Amino acid sequence: LAKTTQPISMDSYEGQEVNITCSHNNIATNDYITWYQQFPSQGPRFIIQGYKTKVTNEVASLFIPADRKSSTLSLPRVSLSDTAVYYCLPPYSSASKIIFGSGTRLSIRP
Amino acid sequence: ETGVTQTPRHLVMGMTNKKSLKCEQHLGHNAMYWYKQSAKKPLELMFVYSLEERVENNSVPSRFSPECPNSSHLFLHLHTLQPEDSALYLCASSQQLGREQYFGPGTRLTVT
Repeated sequence: LAKTTQPISMDSYEGQEVNITCSHNNIATNDYITWYQQFPSQGPRFIIQGYKTKVTNEVASLFIPADRKSSTLSLPRVSLSDTAVYYCLPPYSSASKIIFGSGTRLSIRP
Repeated sequence: ETGVTQTPRHLVMGMTNKKSLKCEQHLGHNAMYWYKQSAKKPLELMFVYSLEERVENNSVPSRFSPECPNSSHLFLHLHTLQPEDSALYLCASSQQLGREQYFGPGTRLTVT
């Protein structure tokens, strides 16, 4: 089993842009990369998914370099409600067998 | 609401009890998952089902027994659990293996 690697925690302020990077060296060729958000005592919530280059939705952007060994989640203009744990994960596949890492605990201050 | 429901939301059981956790997805997905999340620990994948066939059993003790009677329902049967099994148990589904997962709210289990 392989494991993703992210910073354990990050702090930022309301209105700032936050970038969280994840490394996933053993991602399989066909795997997409998915990011989730989790609040205390709740299940993770899907945020964004991508395969390469850049993907943007109403919540975030996802940047994936050509080698696909890492990805960066970008949250524009964060608010207090963005305080949560963020996980990156290739979707489960028998090829990757990658497990959830510890995630990044993001704290937003006024 | 993610379209994945779990019951019960909270469960307290003794070590000699037998109980079951239920998960139901209303999304028409073909893959379902059980995860365990202990306090301040990462999510641990327990079981994976695709089209009602188990495709992953991640070295889980036999006191946890999954059942997937159809593509919409997933159960986790519990018996003779230990206090260290106390955790948040999360169910998820995805359209198929390899797609993003949608999680239920979880069952908070306490073993006394």
